[in-house]
Formats: sequence, structure tokens, C-alpha cells
Amino acid sequence: KQEVTQIPAALSVPEGENLVLNCSFTDSAIYNLQWFRQDPGKGLTSLLLIQSSQREQTSGRLNASLDKSSGRSTLYIAASQPGDSATYLCAVIYNFNKFYFGSGTKLNVKP
Amino acid sequence: NAGVTQTPKFQVLKTGQSMTLQCAQDMNHEYMSWYRQDPGMGLRLIHYSVGAGITDQGEVPNGYNVSRSTTEDFPLRLLSAAPSQTSVYFCASSPRSKGPYEQYFGPGTRLTVT
Repeated sequence: KQEVTQIPAALSVPEGENLVLNCSFTDSAIYNLQWFRQDPGKGLTSLLLIQSSQREQTSGRLNASLDKSSGRSTLYIAASQPGDSATYLCAVIYNFNKFYFGSGTKLNVKP
Repeated sequence: NAGVTQTPKFQVLKTGQSMTLQCAQDMNHEYMSWYRQDPGMGLRLIHYSVGAGITDQGEVPNGYNVSRSTTEDFPLRLLSAAPSQTSVYFCASSPRSKGPYEQYFGPGTRLTVT
């Protein structure tokens, strides 16, 4: 069974700081990996998708990398803002139907 | 487009009661799925559907039934609610042409079973 781990579980940083969120998975035979954002009481919003053949994806201040061989992905957030405060979830995807989610990193960016 | 909608937003049930959580999407997506999210845990897949008339089990299907009679709707039925089913339930959909990963999530239903 695939295990997806996100470290740290919670993170508090001052505004403007660059930060890295980590996601690790036990089975490297993944199809894709996706990062989501979840605001309190809300559903999930897709941030970045990395296909298994790719090493990284960028969107604005966000950059996600993937190292399949080591079973790791990182989400880099540059110049953090209070509006970035949310829970960030990674999901590994094995085929059309199998998503496995980590338990998330709760980020607080202090003004 | 309204996207993915879920009703109700909140529900309290007594043990043994049954109910249906509703999910609808207006994006003509073929793939739809149900997840539950428990504190300190990631989302876990309950059931999914790759099109009208086709459903399959996910990681934690016990105690839940689904059907997919139309492309738009994918209801989740709790046959006999148990306290272990207290959770937040999310419905998601995806256009098949984009593969499994462009999932759009509804706002969730918070269910408490007493």
C-alpha cells in the first residue's frame, strides 16, 4: 500500500520568507503527482501537476519538483504572503483512478 | 458554470440512520469520485466512476454505496450510519480527456454520526 508523508505537519513563517514543503512516497512507480491547497472549510484547489516524465513545474511564486527515484517531491513558495496561509496537500497518482493523499502541511504566514 | 456542488453542507445523523450525500457537476466531466477526510489524515478514496453506469470501489468503500445514472450526478449513500463515518466528505470530478489528475473538488459535506 502506498504511503504518502508530508513534513512538517505545520509551519509558521514571517511574511516574505521563502519556504519548502516536503512530500515523500513509498512506491516510486507513480503516474503523476499533484499539489493542492485547502483553505479552512473549503474544498481542494489544484496548484501544480507534475507528470512522471517531468522534473518540475512552475506557476508564479510556486515551484514543484519531483524525484521519482528517491520518492520525493518538494513545493517551493517564494516570497511568502499572508494569503498563502492554508493547508497544502500532495497526492500521488498511480493510474487513472488511484489517488493517495498526504495528511498535509498547515502553513501560517505572519504579517 | 457552478462547478462541483455538494448538498447538504452539514448533517447530523443517529447511528443506524441512512442518508444520501448529493454531488453534481455541470462541466460534463466523465470521471467523478468521493473522498473522506479525517483529522490528521489525507483524503481517502471511497468510490469512483469513469462514466454513467460505471462505478468501482476505492480504498475505503465499506458502508457506502454509489450509483451513476447520469453524467452530472454521483450520489453517495450511507446505508446504516456508524460513528466511524463521522468525517468530511468531498466529491470531485475530472474531464476524461485530461486524464485523472485535473480534479475539481466540491466544498465538502461535514457529517457527524452520534
